Amino acid sequence: QVQLVQSGAEVKKPGSSVKVSCQASGGTFRTYIISWVRQAPGQGLEWMGRIIPMLNLDNYAQKFQGRVTITADKSTSTAYMELTNLRSEDTAVYYCAMEAQGRLMKFDSWGQGTLVTVSA
Amino acid sequence: QSVLTQPPSASGTPGQRLTISCSGSSSNIGSYSVNWYQQLPGTAPKLLIHSDNERPSGVPDRFSGSKSGTAASLAISGLQSEDEADYYCATWDDNLSGVFGTGTKVTVL
Repeated sequence: QVQLVQSGAEVKKPGSSVKVSCQASGGTFRTYIISWVRQAPGQGLEWMGRIIPMLNLDNYAQKFQGRVTITADKSTSTAYMELTNLRSEDTAVYYCAMEAQGRLMKFDSWGQGTLVTVSA
Repeated sequence: QSVLTQPPSASGTPGQRLTISCSGSSSNIGSYSVNWYQQLPGTAPKLLIHSDNERPSGVPDRFSGSKSGTAASLAISGLQSEDEADYYCATWDDNLSGVFGTGTKVTVL
């Protein structure tokens, strides 16, 4: 099974940006789809967007349009999620998750999560 | 706000059968497969049920899923203490977006 390892916790100021990485091992990265899901403290799961590395195709939840960018580097099997114009409500654990093509929202593998804290 | 509605909590005694509902619409559950995730405290979610009613290898057969129209359900039979967790349904939506349910906290009394 594919393993996903995310970058470490971040503390950011309001108005700044954060970029979280997610490196895959043990599988064929380019054939999968990577989604980013976040979870605010004590809250539920929220899908942010995804990328299909093989096609370099991305799409985002309407709520995050214009503020989030998901990219992928096939040479290092790493996906990135950048969120800009951070506000306190963006404090959350951010997960990357991998699905096989054609298996919408069936996430077989998850990263360990990255805590992003937005505080002045 | 999520477009998939789940009850915020559910509880049962060991050995009981518990059912969690997930209500959506024709643009999501009515058109796409439903997956279920179990999240233990402080950990990443784990795939429990996929494609409406399929269990990944390693998931006990106490867990089962079903779907009818625009609603889906997760059933846990023979409830055990280790089933205490948060459970989420998830599917795709016609607006090209993934959606999760609001989540259900299961307590074993």
